[in-house]
Amino acid sequence: KAGVTQTPRYLIKTRGQQVTLSCSPISGHRSVSWYQQTPGQGLQFLFEYFSETQRNKGNFPGRFSGRQFSNSRSEMNVSTLELGDSALYLCASSTETGFNGYTFGSGTRLTVV
Amino acid sequence: AQRVTQPEKLLSVFKGAPVELKCNYSYSGSPELFWYVQYSRQRLQLLLRHISRESIKGFTADLNKGETSFHLKKPFAQEEDSAMYYCALSASGGSYIPTFGRGTSLIVHP
Repeated sequence: KAGVTQTPRYLIKTRGQQVTLSCSPISGHRSVSWYQQTPGQGLQFLFEYFSETQRNKGNFPGRFSGRQFSNSRSEMNVSTLELGDSALYLCASSTETGFNGYTFGSGTRLTVV
Repeated sequence: AQRVTQPEKLLSVFKGAPVELKCNYSYSGSPELFWYVQYSRQRLQLLLRHISRESIKGFTADLNKGETSFHLKKPFAQEEDSAMYYCALSASGGSYIPTFGRGTSLIVHP
């Protein structure tokens, strides 16, 4: 079956702009989590959606938001981009909880200039 | 609060040598522990879970609650084991969202 699909793979944006990233989970997975990965901070949890509801949230400013659709696809949005938002954004899906482990997407590489 | 520490950023060994990637955790409850691996130009993928007590690609990991460790071991390293390895902890109660370590880069020389 198809894996976790993230689009786009690469993005270059200017400071102050906003960006929307998309994630399609594995069929049947209803939980979608988002992580920010940087060399300095490693993998940091952004938020988790389950059945169209945000179930968990990490310590990121309100500029970072997300949503989940009825087909479990998820989007995350970053408004008023800052240079420090440059990172690899990873989406991970799982069946019900993270106890079975995540299946990760390839990520979206965001560069803010 | 839960924390995962991988003390080595880089581990360099020769093919055929034993490998041990260290992972220490801090959590007051009963943890669920994982190892993830990321090969060059590939996505992050689950390698093994402690609860499964499995051996994947020759790797094993034992949970030592006394030492709060979950080290990943392989008796004979192969060049194809070269990758980035991440240890992760999920809390058994409350939020299960995993906390990841910073990762250890394993390089296996021929």
